[in-house]
Amino acid sequence: EDQVTQSPEALRLQEGESSSLNCSYTVSGLRGLFWYRQDPGKGPEFLFTLYSAGEEKEKERLKATLTKKESFLHITAPKPEDSATYLCAVQGGSNYKLTFGKGTLLTVNP
Amino acid sequence: KAGVTQTPRYLIKTRGQQVTLSCSPISGHRSVSWYQQTPGQGLQFLFEYFSETQRNKGNFPGRFSGRQFSNSRSEMNVSTLELGDSALYLCASRAGVYNEQFFGPGTRLTVL
Repeated sequence: EDQVTQSPEALRLQEGESSSLNCSYTVSGLRGLFWYRQDPGKGPEFLFTLYSAGEEKEKERLKATLTKKESFLHITAPKPEDSATYLCAVQGGSNYKLTFGKGTLLTVNP
Repeated sequence: KAGVTQTPRYLIKTRGQQVTLSCSPISGHRSVSWYQQTPGQGLQFLFEYFSETQRNKGNFPGRFSGRQFSNSRSEMNVSTLELGDSALYLCASRAGVYNEQFFGPGTRLTVL
């Protein structure tokens, strides 16, 4: 069964203080690793898809990277509006469903 | 392009009742998935429909069921509601089975 573990569970940063969120996974035949951002009371918002080890994608202050066992979401010089829960999900080759981690709650203080 | 829409946005029911939630996917998307989200368990997969056929099912009791119509709209039904069914129910659509999913705003269900 596919498994996703995200760490830390919660992270508090000062505005401008860069950091990384971790997503460790076990999956049979990775088809894709997905990052989402979720604000309180709202549905998750799609950020990135990564397909193979070594791949990187960037969007504004966010950069996602992928290895064979984990993915990192790097946040450079965060702003308070980056505060949200960040979710990681994997899709294996054995079925079509996504398995989500429990997320990292990021708080950026001004 | 309009996003995924879900109705109703909020719902309050009592134990033993049943409820039906609705989801309209992004135009052109044939796959619709349903998730239950609670603070303790996170996002839990319920089921996925593709072209009116259930393709995957999560580990939920038979009280949870769904269907998809020919226009790709989907409904989820929960019968004999229990207190533990209180959650945010999310619907997501995607163009194909290996594409990224796009989520709706969710339906907040409270069971009293």
